[in-house]
Amino acid sequence: RKEVEQDPGPFNVPEGATVAFNCTYSNSASQSFFWYRQDCRKEPKLLMSVYSSGNEDGRFTAQLNRASQYISLLIRDSKLSDSATYLCAVNKGDKIIFGKGTRLHILP
Amino acid sequence: GAGVSQSPSNKVTEKGKDVELRCDPISGHTALYWYRQSLGQGLEFLIYFQGNSAPDKSGLPSDRFSAERTGGSVSTLTIQRTQQEDSAVYLCASSFGAGGREQYFGPGTRLTVT
Repeated sequence: RKEVEQDPGPFNVPEGATVAFNCTYSNSASQSFFWYRQDCRKEPKLLMSVYSSGNEDGRFTAQLNRASQYISLLIRDSKLSDSATYLCAVNKGDKIIFGKGTRLHILP
Repeated sequence: GAGVSQSPSNKVTEKGKDVELRCDPISGHTALYWYRQSLGQGLEFLIYFQGNSAPDKSGLPSDRFSAERTGGSVSTLTIQRTQQEDSAVYLCASSFGAGGREQYFGPGTRLTVT
């Protein structure tokens, strides 16, 4: 099993729809979880950290499921500007292991 | 405040030449990471520095790759005798403290080996 695994997509979603991605991780000792957004030919930018209790930032909601070892990202009322690749990241000791990302295309 | 900066932003070099890539982390960040990203691929971990500890070099793909971090701040990634397969974007990230905290990335150096 890969350390951090994501569906590569692409997810083609109409503007205004809700879309959700999952990311599974293999290391049960992991304590830190993140979602990053990467636009084409740009560096990854931190979108949000994922806390045990789940957290919400505007239209974005992140959840952690320790029992099943996955994190999720939900985007409500999607905008054209949400089109990007979404990377999940999980710590392995002091290192952060990144998934290969899920591509999202928001369609007008 | 200032983010992570990297230089040069683009580098074109001939096969066999050596290159040096520079990273200036966010002030006060003690952890610094180097990654490589080939076109359409994920992030490949290269090396990790934390404070004065010995770096974690487990991701360096060959002995042609080396990195140093002077004074706990600026880092230089050196690639000797470059090969065409070294062409990629080299990204630097820094974080405050250890323990897998949030990382903040620089804009990267796009390396092209001809």
